[in-house]
Amino acid sequence: AQSVTQPDIHITVSEGASLELRCNYSYGATPYLFWYVQSPGQGLQLLLKYFSGDTLVQGIKGFEAEFKRSQSSFNLRKPSVHWSDAAEYFCAVGVPGGNTPLVFGKGTRLSVIA
Amino acid sequence: EAQVTQNPRYLITVTGKKLTVTCSQNMNHEYMSWYRQDPGLGLRQIYYSMNVEVTDKGDVPEGYKVSRKEKRNFPLILESPSPNQTSLYFCASSLYKNTEAFFGQGTRLTVV
Repeated sequence: AQSVTQPDIHITVSEGASLELRCNYSYGATPYLFWYVQSPGQGLQLLLKYFSGDTLVQGIKGFEAEFKRSQSSFNLRKPSVHWSDAAEYFCAVGVPGGNTPLVFGKGTRLSVIA
Repeated sequence: EAQVTQNPRYLITVTGKKLTVTCSQNMNHEYMSWYRQDPGLGLRQIYYSMNVEVTDKGDVPEGYKVSRKEKRNFPLILESPSPNQTSLYFCASSLYKNTEAFFGQGTRLTVV
């Protein structure tokens, strides 16, 4: 079965600084990969997804993620963080053609300071 | 607008009093699921449904029931709630089991 690890529980960055959130997965082939954001008091919103093709994926709100097969990673990046990006971020893994549901990481909480 | 709607958003109840949290999606998705979110534990799947009248247990099904009589609706039932079911609950739907999930706004349940 697939699994996903988000090594950082909490990250604090300054407004305007760059951001990278880590996501590592365990699966024997190329999985489907997702990043979600959860703002306080809200549900999860899809930021971006990777199914196949170009390994650099652009998403909403200026986020991007890069799939690296050799490292089993799908890290989320943003060049300049805004205060409104403070939220919880979840990475998720799905099995192509499989019969198992998405597996979510435990999340990384992002704090943004002035 | 494509959406998953949960109700209520907030609920405080007493131990043992049956309650239902409703979930409805307007995207004609086959797959629907319920999660609970607790600090430090992330999202844990309670139950899921592959289609009408097809439901199955997730990772933490004890104390919960679900039904799927129509494609759009997937209510979560707590027949005898207990304080350890105090949590934030999310309903989600997707076209298939392993594709992107669309989430409701969440229901914060407190059982006293």
